Amino acid sequence: GEDVEQSLFLSVREGDSSVINCTYTDSSSTYLYWYKQEPGAGLQLLTYIFSNMDMKQDQRLTVLLNKKDKHLSLRIADTQTGDSAIYFCAWLYNNNDMRFGAGTRLTVKP
Amino acid sequence: DTGVSQNPRHKITKRGQNVTFRCDPISEHNRLYWYRQTLGQGPEFLTYFQNEAQLEKSRLLSDRFSAERPKGSFSTLEIQRTEQGDSAMYLCASSVPLAGGPYEQYFGPGTRLTVT
Repeated sequence: GEDVEQSLFLSVREGDSSVINCTYTDSSSTYLYWYKQEPGAGLQLLTYIFSNMDMKQDQRLTVLLNKKDKHLSLRIADTQTGDSAIYFCAWLYNNNDMRFGAGTRLTVKP
Repeated sequence: DTGVSQNPRHKITKRGQNVTFRCDPISEHNRLYWYRQTLGQGPEFLTYFQNEAQLEKSRLLSDRFSAERPKGSFSTLEIQRTEQGDSAMYLCASSVPLAGGPYEQYFGPGTRLTVT
């Protein structure tokens, strides 16, 4: 995960917004991704953003991309207990292998 | 189709033994990937196939590791002479590359390997 940095933990209260941040070093990827991993499960693709976009909204999810600062964020509105999971930002290297950050563990308290 | 499946889900083996994992991708996906995930880390790329051809291997894939996809459908990952450092979750993903992207990869539930 040295190509991508994420804060490891985030705790929010149910109903609040969550913002998960990611800083990456390689800007060659055409797309940047957010994956969710629940305990004992594989990774679920949540959303992605084209590198030429600044923002993408998908229901409760908002992705912001600052290419100048190489900063990607995922905002989850009205966070629910079911959103508790590990969130990974990722980018595609050579259009083949996905490179992942270390993941941010989101804990939602009722 | 219910998605990418992997078997077994858990494997406990003694150091020095060989293990083999299987991945069944989504049926129309011609690309298949193997990743390894250790505790507290994101997945790390190991190798990928396009149809039956293995096109790329990471430097993480030592010569004790071998992957095959003989008919371009399911894939197997074998680890010979397992070491305790091989203990990890082994994830499989598949995709169908569309020109221009977004190159979505769909992951299976993983096989958790414990080497004692």
